[in-house]
Amino acid sequence: NAGVTQTPKFQVLKTGQSMTLQCAQDMNHEYMSWYRQDPGMGLRLIHYSVGAGITDQGEVPNGYNVSRSTTEDFPLRLLSAAPSQTSVYFCATRDGGSQETQYFGPGTRLLVL
Amino acid sequence: AQSVAQPEDQVNVAEGNPLTVKCTYSVSGNPYLFWYVQYPNRGLQFLLKYITGDNLVKGSYGFEAEFNKSQTSFHLKKPSALVSDSALYFCAVRDPWMDSSYKLIFGSGTRLLVRP
Repeated sequence: NAGVTQTPKFQVLKTGQSMTLQCAQDMNHEYMSWYRQDPGMGLRLIHYSVGAGITDQGEVPNGYNVSRSTTEDFPLRLLSAAPSQTSVYFCATRDGGSQETQYFGPGTRLLVL
Repeated sequence: AQSVAQPEDQVNVAEGNPLTVKCTYSVSGNPYLFWYVQYPNRGLQFLLKYITGDNLVKGSYGFEAEFNKSQTSFHLKKPSALVSDSALYFCAVRDPWMDSSYKLIFGSGTRLLVRP
């Protein structure tokens, strides 16, 4: 099993450009989420999904869109990149029931100039 | 509001010595508590969790943590540190009674440096 995979690993954008960060999982987890990691701030939740067709906002959703058409994929879209979106982005999945463990992908490092 | 505090930006310890990485939390109800480790240029790896039951939980790589409700703490410990334990450690909390998003609230992270 590959677990949680993310592409690309690294991306440089110019202000105003758009891009999609890809996240895929092969663990059949219903719950998926996106976090951003900034120095000294830990990780903060951007968007999450509890199943295909269902998405909701986390604590820092502005500037990002998501969709969930399949259980496996949960892409994160930046419609018009801003320097404030320079960060490391992590996708995570959660196993169901009471196990509570969340599994993180390797991350995408994004630099917006 | 839910929050997690990791008061030390960095912890230095000699190999073979015991280590402690501190974490305190603030939630309104009974928390779910987690420790994750991040190695350079890698994602977060799950170490251990407290959901309910025994206050002392054991996890991967010989780490353990003790849930102390009166002190609202969940410190990470290991009896004998290894150089390979050097990494960034995150404490996280979830309040299952107040938040249906399954969101983890993370601390700012503590860098552990184990010197040979």
